[in-house]
Amino acid sequence: SQQGEEDPQALSIQEGENATMNCSYKTSINNLQWYRQNSGRGLVHLILIRSNEREKHSGRLRVTLDTSKKSSSLLITASRAADTASYFCATERYNNDMRFGAGTRLTVKP
Amino acid sequence: DAGVTQSPTHLIKTRGQHVTLRCSPISGHKSVSWYQQVLGQGPQFIFQYYEKEERGRGNFPDRFSARQFPNYSSELNVNALLLGDSALYLCASSPPSGGSYNEQFFGPGTRLTVL
Repeated sequence: SQQGEEDPQALSIQEGENATMNCSYKTSINNLQWYRQNSGRGLVHLILIRSNEREKHSGRLRVTLDTSKKSSSLLITASRAADTASYFCATERYNNDMRFGAGTRLTVKP
Repeated sequence: DAGVTQSPTHLIKTRGQHVTLRCSPISGHKSVSWYQQVLGQGPQFIFQYYEKEERGRGNFPDRFSARQFPNYSSELNVNALLLGDSALYLCASSPPSGGSYNEQFFGPGTRLTVL
């Protein structure tokens, strides 16, 4: 069973706009990670945020974590066509169990 | 540096058969995890191995088994294949961190089709 749930399931925006994806989870976690996947290929790690952190930045990416609400968000600023992909959140629980959500399919139109 | 490699890239089997999938982690990585990704869904955690010991197991039947070798490569075995086992099987390795995940580096996956 999957722990995280991404919202929305699909998102379509124009190049240059910002994209925000949300992730909710159910149990206490050690850390939360965001990954990108292009067309059913291997996943690429984007960013990791630990349970005692509230916000992290990496280039055009900004991730927030609210452990009280058991939710996280991924913001991609100034989106590009190359950002078109599926984005997954993954939560690591304390028993070395990694759970991925079903993903958000992002389409960035040129 | 070579990334995580998996073999084979594609595989077609029939129901009831057995399959072995292989994974070589990035050099220096001691943790290997296996995931099953059915089309349209996120990856589902199957196993994690660290220093050749099983550290985590997902909700998969006993038909699924794995092992890690002294060189940290890993095999995933699936017995008595079912149609529902058709999926992309992903392997990921992580740098040494005492067992917790940190960043995972994924291989390209093995596409298994069960007919």
